[in-house]
Amino acid sequence: DAGVTQSPTHLIKTRGQQVTLRCSPKSGHDTVSWYQQALGQGPQFIFQYYEEEERQRGNFPDRFSGHQFPNYSSELNVNALLLGDSALYLCASSFRERQGLFYEQYFGPGTRLTVT
Amino acid sequence: GIQVEQSPPDLILQEGANSTLRCNFSDSVNNLQWFHQNPWGQLINLFYIPSGTKQNGRLSATTVATERYSLLYISSSQTTDSGAYFCAVVEVKAAGNKLTFGGGTRVLVKP
Repeated sequence: DAGVTQSPTHLIKTRGQQVTLRCSPKSGHDTVSWYQQALGQGPQFIFQYYEEEERQRGNFPDRFSGHQFPNYSSELNVNALLLGDSALYLCASSFRERQGLFYEQYFGPGTRLTVT
Repeated sequence: GIQVEQSPPDLILQEGANSTLRCNFSDSVNNLQWFHQNPWGQLINLFYIPSGTKQNGRLSATTVATERYSLLYISSSQTTDSGAYFCAVVEVKAAGNKLTFGGGTRVLVKP
């Protein structure tokens, strides 16, 4: 049973550039969430996708956008990169909440983004 | 939004020692997860525990939802227990849910 996978593992970009990160959910999961983890801090929620739509969003600017595909995989796009966007980007997958039942989220290994 | 605080922020243990990590949250939550983050950044699921007590080997967790805290116990610690431990609470919104993380407890187990 494949877990959550992310690509690439590491990425170095220059300020002002654009980047796309990719995530494939755990087999059977239909919901994907993205988190940003700065060095020494806990992960922060960026947004969540279900049925190819953004369902909830954290306090991140519009430079952060995403997409979910029919096979439930997802992309995170960041435009006009800033030095402060350097972080570990984590993707998590789960089953969608149903009738008040919540399902635990499982995380991928992350993509470490460095902006110079 | 819900505030999540973890204590202590850092912990140094001798191999074989026991420890307790605490997670306080500011409001009622639907559920809570504990994670261990290894040195490579991978978050590993430890417990999914809305209330009560669960045990998995040398680790156990207790959540008292009515008093808004959860505890993670590590017994007979090993060097492989080193890393960061995070608790995260489930916040439910109209269209979805999200995890809100605490700042973590960084554990170093010395041989």
